[in-house]
Amino acid sequence: DTAVSQTPKYLVTQMGNDKSIKCEQNLGHDTMYWYKQDSKKFLKIMFSYNNKELIINETVPNRFSPKSPDKAHLNLHINSLELGDSAVYFCASSQGLGTSGIYNEQFFGPGTRLTVL
Amino acid sequence: GENVEQHPSTLSVQEGDSAVIKCTYSDSASNYFPWYKQELGKGPQLIIDIRSNVGEKKDQRIAVTLNKTAKHFSLHITETQPEDSAVYFCAPRRGSTLGRLYFGRGTQLTVWP
Repeated sequence: DTAVSQTPKYLVTQMGNDKSIKCEQNLGHDTMYWYKQDSKKFLKIMFSYNNKELIINETVPNRFSPKSPDKAHLNLHINSLELGDSAVYFCASSQGLGTSGIYNEQFFGPGTRLTVL
Repeated sequence: GENVEQHPSTLSVQEGDSAVIKCTYSDSASNYFPWYKQELGKGPQLIIDIRSNVGEKKDQRIAVTLNKTAKHFSLHITETQPEDSAVYFCAPRRGSTLGRLYFGRGTQLTVWP
């Protein structure tokens, strides 16, 4: 009964390809996120969705297109992959936004390690 | 986003010793101060947090202290064990950040048996 799950765990692909990463949470949360962790372990927010609506896009290139079919799922599609996209991508979820959700814990998935060759 | 600095970037201690990691932030409106632990191959996990109206909070071997005037907060781990070895991140925030976490650059803690 994993709280936040991601598939696949590893993804190795060639430059220029298109790939997707799926995320699901069974916690009943209304907010989901994508974070990118680079090789130096720096974690950076990419997107945030609340009730299936995009709330935050942290100046991510438009080759990255998140999609939330329902509150429990947030997928990430990446077009025309580049070498610099190699990283670990984490999905997370929490309940509430702004002042109502500030104290609510974010639960992270196990990560997807993307390697672009 | 918030400017967050964490020190040290690496920390090695002997089992049983104490470890302290400090996080300095720039946004004086920050009012929530969590620490996350990331074990190898896993996602970050909240281990302890503190709100701005509290100066210190303890949970068994871990504690967090907050100095709002100086804009820093620290993670304290006592009686360290090898399973405490991980990367630790601070992520101070305020309510208007719409949930997003701005992480410090992390501290790699290694506890030697």
